[in-house]
Amino acid sequence: QITLKETGPTLVKPTQTLTLTCTLSGFSLSTYGVAVGWIRQPPGKAPEWLALISWDDHKRYSPALKSRLTITKDASENQVVLTMSNMNPVDTATYYCAQNHGLLLGWFDPWGQGTLVTVSS
Amino acid sequence: QSVLTQPPSVSGAPGQRVTISCTGSNSNIGAGYDVHWYQQLPGTAPKLLIYGDNNRPSGVPDRFSGSKSGTSASLAITGLQAEDEADYYCQSYDRSLGGSGVFGGGTKLTVL
Repeated sequence: QITLKETGPTLVKPTQTLTLTCTLSGFSLSTYGVAVGWIRQPPGKAPEWLALISWDDHKRYSPALKSRLTITKDASENQVVLTMSNMNPVDTATYYCAQNHGLLLGWFDPWGQGTLVTVSS
Repeated sequence: QSVLTQPPSVSGAPGQRVTISCTGSNSNIGAGYDVHWYQQLPGTAPKLLIYGDNNRPSGVPDRFSGSKSGTSASLAITGLQAEDEADYYCQSYDRSLGGSGVFGGGTKLTVL
C-alpha cells in the first residue's frame, strides 16, 4: 500500500522559514519514473501547485513562489523535504504531499492526509 | 484568480446528469497538456477521479467520465448520488509557467 505522510510545525511566525517533511511508504523515490509533489490549500480555497521533484532529482517550482521554495529528497530516508522562506499569514494553509505520475506532467495520486500550517505571531 | 476556470457551483437531483467545465487557454489545455480531476469531500484530501483527460483509476465508478476539446475539459457525472456532493477540481500544466502545474478554482456540487 502506497502512503505519504506530511510532518512539520503547525504554527510558524511571520518571516520564519517553514520546513515540511513528506515520508513515503510503499514506494521509493529512487525508482525510475517516481516523482513527488507538494500542494497547498488555504482554508476554503482551491489547491495550489507548489513544487515537484523526480527520482533523478529534476525539480519544478511554481513561478509565483520559486524564490521562496526549495524541494529536496533524502533517498536513504525515503523522504521529500519542502522549505518555504519568509512565511506570511497568507501562507496559512493545509500542505499536502502526493505521488506524481506522468513524468512531472501528470496527476497526483495518492495524497497524504495533509498538515495544517498557521502563520501567526 | 485561477489559470483554469470552473463554475463555482453546480447542482442536480439524484439520478440526474451534471457536467463541470474547466476552461483554460492555448498555453495549458489547448497546448495539449492532459487534464486531471479530483473530488474533495469535506475535511479530507483531494482524491483522484479522472487522469489523462478521460481515464478512471480503479475503484472510481463509471458514472464519472472526462472529456477534452480545444482549450476546455469537462467532468460528467451521471446517475447523481447523495455521496457525490463534494468539491471538484481540475488540474493541468501550463507552458507559460515553465511547465508548472495549475489547478482550477473548484466547483461545489450540491445534490438537491
